[in-house]
Amino acid sequence: AQSVTQLDSHVSVSEGTPVLLRCNYSSSYSPSLFWYVQHPNKGLQLLLKYTSAATLVKGINGFEAEFKKSETSFHLTKPSAHMSDAAEYFCVVSLMHGSGNTGKLIFGQGTTLQVKP
Amino acid sequence: DADVTQTPRNRITKTGKRIMLECSQTKGHDRMYWYRQDPGLGLRLIYYSFDVKDINKGEISDGYSVSRQAQAKFSLSLESAIPNQTALYFCATRGQGTPGELFFGEGSRLTVL
Repeated sequence: AQSVTQLDSHVSVSEGTPVLLRCNYSSSYSPSLFWYVQHPNKGLQLLLKYTSAATLVKGINGFEAEFKKSETSFHLTKPSAHMSDAAEYFCVVSLMHGSGNTGKLIFGQGTTLQVKP
Repeated sequence: DADVTQTPRNRITKTGKRIMLECSQTKGHDRMYWYRQDPGLGLRLIYYSFDVKDINKGEISDGYSVSRQAQAKFSLSLESAIPNQTALYFCATRGQGTPGELFFGEGSRLTVL
């Protein structure tokens, strides 16, 4: 079965320090992986996606994520946090089966990022 | 104007009442989805539709029904609301050939007393 686990429900950083949001996945197939961000009272927005091309994926707002098959991880990072990065972040895996991508998504539980001044 | 619009944004209702949440989109996408968000559980798929005549159940469809009135409109109904349906509901769309790239509305917060 495919699944995704976000290892931290809450992460707090100071403005200007690095951000690391951790995500592990489980999949019998080559996965498609995504990070979404949800700002307060807003819908979710796609940050970045991995679909079996380059393992280091760059997204919007300076975020990037690295696909590590050996570690089954897809951690989200940013070198320097801004106050505007405070939001909830979701790691997502696309559900696959033998004939390909079903188009269905499995969402992680979410990580709330707090950025302190 | 938003590409994906949900109405109402907030609703408080009582147990047993019928509730409809509406979603309309201007992106021209054929695929539309309804998700439910609960704290600590992420988003879970309720129903999805690949076109007007193709509607499918998601992982938590019990107690819900949907209607795809047109390519741009997808509504979610709770026939007889119960308190554990209190949640934040999201409509989303995507185009063909872009698995995982969903465009979300801003959500409808439903409280069932």
